[in-house]
Amino acid sequence: DQQVKQNSPSLSVQEGRISILNCDYTNSMFDYFLWYKKYPAEGPTFLISISSIKDKNEDGRFTVFLNKSAKHLSLHIVPSQPGDSAVYFCAAMRSQGAQKLVFGQGTRLTINP
Amino acid sequence: EAGVVQSPRYKIIEKKQPVAFWCNPISGHNTLYWYRQNLGQGPELLIRYENEEAVDDSQLPKDRFSAERLKGVDSTLKIQPAELGDSAVYLCASSLVVGSSPDTQYFGPGTRLTVL
Repeated sequence: DQQVKQNSPSLSVQEGRISILNCDYTNSMFDYFLWYKKYPAEGPTFLISISSIKDKNEDGRFTVFLNKSAKHLSLHIVPSQPGDSAVYFCAAMRSQGAQKLVFGQGTRLTINP
Repeated sequence: EAGVVQSPRYKIIEKKQPVAFWCNPISGHNTLYWYRQNLGQGPELLIRYENEEAVDDSQLPKDRFSAERLKGVDSTLKIQPAELGDSAVYLCASSLVVGSSPDTQYFGPGTRLTVL
């Protein structure tokens, strides 16, 4: 049972345009969500997070939106840069208790010059 | 600040052989995690330590996997004997959990295990 799903295995975006990565979850107990970025041969790097008490969190070029009723979150990157090319993982957890992170399958983002 | 250190970075073994991975977390982090990442998938938690105590090992295949975290700092993950299906990237992560606040986990580069 995949509790966190990233339905797009890959995404290609022109440099300077907006990249939108999507993530869906099924467990209504999840109340904290994170995005990680992963380059080849490196571990995932924390990018941005959002608590379920918010619907938007912004950090520079990165913005995460949370739609609790739809159990959906998205990561917006604007403007997209070549260095943003990586695999992006969405992750979710229950902030109370074990704080176990559940990851999606990842989306490979390619920024074309 | 040094990040999470893992060694070795790559390991190739034959099936039925033992293998061990080592992790040194970020200084001061009280919580340590081991994850397994299969090709094309996200990381999956194997075990979580709070200081020296394993507080969640429900996903650890205990017949062949073992882990320890001595003195609440470094940790080792062992597989004995390894099977073909154990080929994956093994990631270590650490975090500083304070009270009930959600933590941000910081990952090491991982160990890529290939079982032949």
